[in-house]
Amino acid sequence: GENVEQHPSTLSVQEGDSAVIKCTYSDSASNYFPWYKQELGKRPQLIIDIRSNVGEKKDQRIAVTLNKTAKHFSLHITETQPEDSAVYFCAATSTDSWGKLQFGAGTQVVVTP
Amino acid sequence: GAVVSQHPSRVICKSGTSVKIECRSLDFQATTMFWYRQFPKQSLMLMATSNEGSKATYEQGVEKDKFLINHASLTLSTLTVTSAHPEDSSFYICSASVGLSNQPQHFGDGTRLSIL
Repeated sequence: GENVEQHPSTLSVQEGDSAVIKCTYSDSASNYFPWYKQELGKRPQLIIDIRSNVGEKKDQRIAVTLNKTAKHFSLHITETQPEDSAVYFCAATSTDSWGKLQFGAGTQVVVTP
Repeated sequence: GAVVSQHPSRVICKSGTSVKIECRSLDFQATTMFWYRQFPKQSLMLMATSNEGSKATYEQGVEKDKFLINHASLTLSTLTVTSAHPEDSSFYICSASVGLSNQPQHFGDGTRLSIL
């Protein structure tokens, strides 16, 4: 089955700096890669996703890149703000799994003013 | 769009009680719903996948007789934790999707279950 590894586990950045979170996956059949943001005690919220036919996607300060050959994808947050502080999860799913997601372990992002 | 409602948000009950949690997709038809469990400072652990009108598929190590799942309609799935014990205390979250591998899952607000 799919295995997703996520790094780093914690990330402290100064407000205004960029944050990068990296994930690798094992199943070459995986074709969908969402990123979720979860604040303490709340539900995960989809912030951006990318499909396997695309190499990069951007939405304002957030971007995701996908390297299918190397089986890794990354989340980039630019001009970080204190409200970006949360736990971020990457995930991957493949065509034969009914959309079942395999999540990474999560990255605690702390943005200090 | 893509709103998923989960109730109750918080349950505190005595050991031995059975607890039912509801997950509803409010503005789309959810062919597939997923139930997760999340311990503090950990990732989401998938418990089971539920498809409308069929039996749920449980992940390895999850007791199907302990965690009863019903997905009777395209908008409602329920998880019943039977005879709950303190070790069942956790944050339970559902998600719903249209059942395609390249479509997002939308999460409910979660249920904080505390068994005394």
